[in-house]
Amino acid sequence: GAVVSQHPSRVICKSGTSVKIECRSLDFQATTMFWYRQFPKQSLMLMATSNEGSKATYEQGVEKDKFLINHASLTLSTLTVTSAHPEDSSFYICSAEDGQRTNYGYTFGSGTRLTVV
Amino acid sequence: GQNIDQPTEMTATEGAIVQINCTYQTSGFNGLFWYQQHAGEAPTFLSYNVLDGLEEKGRFSSFLSRSKGYSYLLLKELQMKDSASYLCAVREYNTDKLIFGTGTRLQVFP
Repeated sequence: GAVVSQHPSRVICKSGTSVKIECRSLDFQATTMFWYRQFPKQSLMLMATSNEGSKATYEQGVEKDKFLINHASLTLSTLTVTSAHPEDSSFYICSAEDGQRTNYGYTFGSGTRLTVV
Repeated sequence: GQNIDQPTEMTATEGAIVQINCTYQTSGFNGLFWYQQHAGEAPTFLSYNVLDGLEEKGRFSSFLSRSKGYSYLLLKELQMKDSASYLCAVREYNTDKLIFGTGTRLQVFP
C-alpha cells in the first residue's frame, strides 16, 4: 500500500506565529502533493498543488505568501502557515498522488488540527 | 472550473437504504470518487467511477452518468456507524486535481 505520514496531528499556536505542517510519503515517491483546508461542517477545499522541485500552484483566493509550500524532495512536502491568525484555525490535510498504488491514485495524510489563539 | 453539489444533510433509519446525490459541472472530467469522512479524520475511499454505470462494493454502490454530470452513492442496510460525512470528488482532467463537493452529513437513527 501507500502511506502518507502527516505531522503534527494537533497544534495550538499564538496569533502572529508560524506553524509548519509536514507530509511525508513513507513507501513511495510523491511527485505531486495536494493541500486542503477544511472548516467545521464544511468540505475539503483545495488550497494548492505542490510538485517536487518546482513552485506550488495556488488556487484562486489562497494567499501564497501566507501559506508557504515547499516540496524539496520526492517524499516530503511542507505547508507553513505564516503569521497565523484565529481565522486560520482549521483542519489541514494533504493528499499525495501515489501512482495508482491504492484507491485509484490518492493517499491522504491523517490531517492537522490547527488552533490559533 | 468545477461546481460540485450535494445535499447538505440527510437522515435515515438503521437498516434502511439511502441515496446521496452529487451533480457536477466541470471543464474536464477524469473520474469521480466517493469518500466517507468522520469528524476530525482523513477521508476514507469508498468508490471510483470513470465510466457510466453502477459499481457495487458490498453495502455500497456508486453510479455515474457522465452525460448528465450526475452520480449517486447508495448505502444499503444502514448501520449506526455509517453516520458520517460523504464527499464526492471529481478528478480534473490534465491537472489530476481532486476537487471535492460540498459534502453530505448523514445521520443514521435507531
